Amino acid sequence: QVQLVESGGALVKPGGSLRLSCAASGFTFSDYFMTWIRQAPGKGLEWVSYISSSTSTTYYADSVKGRFSISRDNAMKSLYLQMDSLRAEDTAIYFCARMALWEGAFDSWGQGTPVTVSS
Amino acid sequence: EIVMTQSPVTLSMSPGERATLSCRASQSVNINLAWYQQKPGQAPRLLIYGASTRATGIPARFSGSGSGTDFTLTISSLQSEDFAVYYCQQYNNWPPWTFGQGTKVEIK
Repeated sequence: QVQLVESGGALVKPGGSLRLSCAASGFTFSDYFMTWIRQAPGKGLEWVSYISSSTSTTYYADSVKGRFSISRDNAMKSLYLQMDSLRAEDTAIYFCARMALWEGAFDSWGQGTPVTVSS
Repeated sequence: EIVMTQSPVTLSMSPGERATLSCRASQSVNINLAWYQQKPGQAPRLLIYGASTRATGIPARFSGSGSGTDFTLTISSLQSEDFAVYYCQQYNNWPPWTFGQGTKVEIK
């Protein structure tokens, strides 16, 4: 079955860096567009970043543009999010999610990894 | 950016009742609209895509309707496991993909 498992979340100081990973299994990872979505404590869902199946196209929310970088390794079936210059407002649960092949909805989600930015 | 607005913020219902959740887009999203369910401590789960198509394994008591700017998620008879937060999301114009702020369906 489809499985997405995030890791790498931690407590980090403002201005610090963190790299999140998402390990995929149960499907042909290289066929799918992938995204990162976050949820601040007690808040709603916010799309963060997108990467195409071939890595040729990436997009970022304005709130993270220039600070975050998405990448993937199709051979390793893994998705990454490099987060630099972290701010308190980046504190959230970070989910990786798969975009459905013929739709733009997110049809599979990982369980999330928590990121806390605090001094 | 398309802004998604959900109403009500909270819906207090009893098991067995019919729940109707609304989602409005700031401009037309055609039928490129999804609904998700999220329970505490869990990831969101896709319920509906294409405004009205149930995702794999989703019970028939969940139905979606609408097109353009106005959408509805209906739960025909609330079960105990349906009390959760529901989000709508548009994928007509991206980036960014945008979500509504959520509707919490709570036990009355």
